[in-house]
Amino acid sequence: DGGITQSPKYLFRKEGQNVTLSCEQNLNHDAMYWYRQDPGQGLRLIYYSQIVNDFQKGDIAEGYSVSREKKESFPLTVTSAQKNPTAFYLCASSPTDRGATGYTFGSGTRLTVV
Amino acid sequence: SQQGEEDPQALSIQEGENATMNCSYKTSINNLQWYRQNSGRGLVHLILIRSNEREKHSGRLRVTLDTSKKSSSLLITASRAADTASYFCATDAYSNYQLIWGAGTKLIIKP
Repeated sequence: DGGITQSPKYLFRKEGQNVTLSCEQNLNHDAMYWYRQDPGQGLRLIYYSQIVNDFQKGDIAEGYSVSREKKESFPLTVTSAQKNPTAFYLCASSPTDRGATGYTFGSGTRLTVV
Repeated sequence: SQQGEEDPQALSIQEGENATMNCSYKTSINNLQWYRQNSGRGLVHLILIRSNEREKHSGRLRVTLDTSKKSSSLLITASRAADTASYFCATDAYSNYQLIWGAGTKLIIKP
């Protein structure tokens, strides 16, 4: 079955450490997205990518970095510059023609600073 | 950017009753989408309604869109315990490559 796989499900980060969250999709979608969700809140866009080797900053890109070397993969690195990284991170994908269908989401990664 | 606002923020009803959630937005849109999120999980796409549509059905779900009032409603009929979740609306304005999300309505179905 097609879908999006996020790993790990839970991640613990020490102060000053960079961590990378994985996102892989086999839906052949061109566009991929990273969102941050804080408790009781909606989704805030971190980065998005419409095609391979290209990506754009969202509303809260500071302290995060991404790459898009393959269509299937869009990893997110939470750097030490992100001062409050504890949150639930969601990856999503969509076809280029978003008017026909919505986004497909992964099951999320919960990141905690220890 | 957050332009959608869901109303109410929380809703608790008895199983079997109907649940209605509302979403308001600020700018012109191409489509509006509703998603469900179970606790600690990813979001699941429920239904998409285009700006030239006024009503859409999918199983027990009914969505309406009023572009003159910039609002939408999601009706879940004959609610079940499994409907307990948070529901989000998201608008697609095609002005950039982003969906704009509301903060969600938390729905609790009491057995």
